[in-house]
Amino acid sequence: NAGVMQNPRHLVRRRGQEARLRCSPMKGHSHVYWYRQLPEEGLKFMVYLQKENIIDESGMPKERFSAEFPKEGPSILRIQQVVRGDSAAYFCASQQYFGPGTRLTVL
Amino acid sequence: AQKVTQAQTEISVVEKEDVTLDCVYETRDTTYYLFWYKQPPSGELVFLIRRNSFDEQNEISGRYSWNFQKSTSSFNFTITASQVVDSAVYFCALSVPGYSSASKIIFGSGTRLSIRP
Repeated sequence: NAGVMQNPRHLVRRRGQEARLRCSPMKGHSHVYWYRQLPEEGLKFMVYLQKENIIDESGMPKERFSAEFPKEGPSILRIQQVVRGDSAAYFCASQQYFGPGTRLTVL
Repeated sequence: AQKVTQAQTEISVVEKEDVTLDCVYETRDTTYYLFWYKQPPSGELVFLIRRNSFDEQNEISGRYSWNFQKSTSSFNFTITASQVVDSAVYFCALSVPGYSSASKIIFGSGTRLSIRP
């Protein structure tokens, strides 16, 4: 994964709870991409962020999902009021290098 | 719009056979990048190769080789003398440089490769 870090690796939430996924890009990189992989599918782009800026959020669902990349600290992908359909693997990337992913399971 | 098609959903071969994974891409841009990734059962995404659109030279890395043909918009991946450890889902992907020379990657749907002992 070339230094891209994600945590937690596994996250279990009940319907209606909030999920927070964190990503630290490769050292020296100031931008991250978030992707979602639904079960048995390929990865789909969600959002591209630079420090303190959302550059492209064309792949983000319009409701319940948000992302930020503050000046200090990791990028956060937040899913509010999770539903079973949010169960997926969420990957972040620095250019072509991907983190290990967070597997979200919604009960 | 950009698109990547991996028509082979699943492939199963016996160990030591050669296997080729097909990838066809669509883009109107003249500058783009093509990728292959491996996703083993553990779930992580392993970067295998990146090729830019101006470099049509085929590449070989050990048992892996890639054939890039602009004329047919294809970027096929061959594993020679396959091994059980090659069993994984393989994704072909495309990106087009954008803002600040960074850009999102568009993935194909993947090919599940099973190598039987």
